[in-house]
Amino acid sequence: NAGVTQTPKFQVLKTGQSMTLQCAQDMNHNSMYWYRQDPGMGLRLIYYSASEGTTDKGEVPNGYNVSRLNKREFSLRLESAAPSQTSVYFCASSETGGHRTDTQYFGPGTRLTVL
Amino acid sequence: AQSVSQHNHHVILSEAASLELGCNYSYGGTVNLFWYVQYPGQHLQLLLKYFSGDPLVKGIKGFEAEFIKSKFSFNLRKPSVQWSDTAEYFCAVNAPGGSYIPTFGRGTSLIVHP
Repeated sequence: NAGVTQTPKFQVLKTGQSMTLQCAQDMNHNSMYWYRQDPGMGLRLIYYSASEGTTDKGEVPNGYNVSRLNKREFSLRLESAAPSQTSVYFCASSETGGHRTDTQYFGPGTRLTVL
Repeated sequence: AQSVSQHNHHVILSEAASLELGCNYSYGGTVNLFWYVQYPGQHLQLLLKYFSGDPLVKGIKGFEAEFIKSKFSFNLRKPSVQWSDTAEYFCAVNAPGGSYIPTFGRGTSLIVHP
């Protein structure tokens, strides 16, 4: 039982390049999330998917797109990377989503640098 | 919209010292409260959570937190820290105003010197 997995672990991009961050969970959770973590800013929600087939914007969605490919997988795409997107990206999942007792389970993170 | 404030951004302690990290939230209704911990180089994991009942919650590794509704607070405590407690600590709130999507505080970096 791997929990939440993310690929890649590290990535360096040039401004304007695109890339997709992959996330998968094997806990049969309904909801999945993408966060970015910046020093002094804590975790900020980029997008989330409450259930398979739905996605919603979070606090900082600009410059990103997501795809909930199936119940297990939730990808985050940067179409044209900018230096402001240099960050650590965490994927998370939760059993139900939108429920008061929901607890999040996090992946190991992707450290992205945009030059 | 709900918000979470963690007042201590950086805390440095010696081993065996007592720890208290502050967390305040803004939502006035029923909330669910969490502390997550991120050890160096690792992902976030749940430390403890409060949903209802006894406002004093015990978590892993000797941590506890007290929910004080009148103060909108959920402070994290440990009587005697260890070097291995060096980590970043995040308070989070699930509230209906945010569709129960958790709002995280900015985090507190704790360094414990041996």
